[in-house]
Amino acid sequence: QQKVQQSPESLTVSEGAMASLNCTFSDRSSDNFRWYRQHSGKGLEVLVSIFSDGEKEEGSFTAHLNRASLHVFLHIREPQPSDSALYLCAVRGGDTNAYKVIFGKGTHLHVLP
Amino acid sequence: EAAVTQSPRNKVAVTGGKVTLSCNQTNNHNNMYWYRQDTGHGLRLIHYSYGAGSTEKGDIPDGYKASRPSQENFSLILELATPSQTSVYFCASGDRTGGDAETLYFGSGTRLTVL
Repeated sequence: QQKVQQSPESLTVSEGAMASLNCTFSDRSSDNFRWYRQHSGKGLEVLVSIFSDGEKEEGSFTAHLNRASLHVFLHIREPQPSDSALYLCAVRGGDTNAYKVIFGKGTHLHVLP
Repeated sequence: EAAVTQSPRNKVAVTGGKVTLSCNQTNNHNNMYWYRQDTGHGLRLIHYSYGAGSTEKGDIPDGYKASRPSQENFSLILELATPSQTSVYFCASGDRTGGDAETLYFGSGTRLTVL
């Protein structure tokens, strides 16, 4: 069974400072990675999707995938207090999970003004 | 943009009662999903569907049934609700487009409390 773990559980940064979130997965054959954001009491919104090794940028969000090391990172450039939310990593694919999406438990990001 | 609407937003039920959570999507997506979100567990897949008339078990289906009577609607049914089913439930829809794997579009969630 695919395992998806996120770190840190909680991260506090000052407004404008780069925020970096980490997601590790267990199945190297996974082929579909997404980062979602969830504001308190709200649903999930997709931020960036990445399907091959390297980087993918969407606005102030950059995903970096390294399948060999089983990591996918999310970098948030110049975060604002409005970016304070729960960030979730979602991984799909792999030999035993060809279709299901597995979510990590999330990183709580707090951006201080 | 995909629109996924869940109802009710909040629900209080009694142990042993029947609860139905509803989800409607307006973008003609084939696939729909039900997740629950709990502190310490993240999002876990309960049931999903590939289209009208189909339902599949997810990772934690016990105690839940699902129904997909149409492309637009996907319901989650708790026949005999228990306090352990107190949670926030999210519905999502998705479809493969342009060769890329699907993006999931989520509703705003239903907060269920079982007393």
